[in-house]
Amino acid sequence: QSALTQPPSASGSPGQSVTISCTGTSSDVGGYKYVSWYQKHPGKAPKLMIYEVNKRPSGVPDRFSGSKSGNTASLTVSGLQAEDEADYYCSSYADSNNYAWVFGGGTKVTVL
Amino acid sequence: QVQLQESGPGLVKPSETLSLTCTVSGVSISDHYWSWIRQPPGKGLEWVGYISNSGNTNYNPSLRRRVTISRDLSKSQFSLRLNSVTAADTAEYFCARVPGRWELHFDSWGQGSRVTVSS
Repeated sequence: QSALTQPPSASGSPGQSVTISCTGTSSDVGGYKYVSWYQKHPGKAPKLMIYEVNKRPSGVPDRFSGSKSGNTASLTVSGLQAEDEADYYCSSYADSNNYAWVFGGGTKVTVL
Repeated sequence: QVQLQESGPGLVKPSETLSLTCTVSGVSISDHYWSWIRQPPGKGLEWVGYISNSGNTNYNPSLRRRVTISRDLSKSQFSLRLNSVTAADTAEYFCARVPGRWELHFDSWGQGSRVTVSS
């Protein structure tokens, strides 16, 4: 069970879009629809932004969208706003025999 | 609305046992799955383990020999015990809810409990 691979950083100007990738294997990202994304501001609890690859919880702006192709999932933040500056983590369900999850290493998104 | 709150010592000595409790309000803990997730300083999130609505558990293979998650239905709490801790176990520990068997993500989180392992 290895961590999912995310780029350490991404950036964009206000109003632009940024896309973060999350690469796993056929045993996690590629094998299940249970890919989720979390936003984390320093000192705060993580917040669910996307679940089941591309579903948004109530209250999450539609500027946030998710997708998956093969073993790689992606989170796109469109129309970047200052408050979007945070760390973003992907996660995937990762065990067909018992319940287990794996996280990515996180991507720091900077709004320039 | 579900709320989770971690509690426990902020300082643990090396080789001793880290114990944390998550108190859940707003829902019954027997209706959902629950997890512990941690974040070492300057590092990413790491899944620690889970307990199901029926009490089944599973743990991160890297921690399996040292970790136990249990629950107390009467107190609406679930707990984490991590034995033989070292400085590498210094982290902020979060408890989180997994909505259910077919909703395998973490939709509600506690605020976190910072634990330092040091003599």
